[in-house]
Amino acid sequence: GAVVSQHPSRVICKSGTSVKIECRSLDFQATTMFWYRQFPKKSLMLMATSNEGSKATYEQGVEKDKFLINHASLTLSTLTVTSAHPEDSSFYICSARALELYEQYFGPGTRLTVT
Amino acid sequence: DAKTTQPPSMDCAEGRAANLPCNHSTISGNEYVYWYRQIHSQGPQYIIHGLKNNETNEMASLIITEDRKSSTLILPHATLRDTAVYYCIVRAAGNNRKLIWGLGTSLAVNP
Repeated sequence: GAVVSQHPSRVICKSGTSVKIECRSLDFQATTMFWYRQFPKKSLMLMATSNEGSKATYEQGVEKDKFLINHASLTLSTLTVTSAHPEDSSFYICSARALELYEQYFGPGTRLTVT
Repeated sequence: DAKTTQPPSMDCAEGRAANLPCNHSTISGNEYVYWYRQIHSQGPQYIIHGLKNNETNEMASLIITEDRKSSTLILPHATLRDTAVYYCIVRAAGNNRKLIWGLGTSLAVNP
């Protein structure tokens, strides 16, 4: 199957700083990328959907100024958590889909801890 | 998109078949049934999907009832590495249609 990578896999940052997470599709062109967050023992919650070259569409309740998403190329999307707070600590997962594929392929996730 | 209902947890003996049920009684004619799994602290992994016919791949088989109101994912010979949370999701075709995630079934494969 198609491969999606995320970097970093783990990050610890201080409260008030910003953190950038990268999501790359390694062997296909991702026309659509999705960002999710997952709290312990909970299901995945979609944060936003982005199509290459256009602005992301955020889900209700997700602050677009806090979670900045850039999808500038067909193989790279970034999520920046700005002015992170401890309640932003979570598991962030991206997924990618190409036009010709029915399924989404997921990255391995990034564990963010804000101290 | 239609909702799905799955048992919260199941156990299976290693080497035996694991049969994971899913109810999707409000599924529409254009909605596919997808199965993903998530091993602890990893991203979800696509397993299989289908519309009406039964499907099989190297990972699993998907059996969809004739009325499409339920389906069963079958792992024919479960191994310890199949221990994971299994999610059944129904979704219409279309590039921007979202996957709506429930709590899935936590499958424990025991030695």
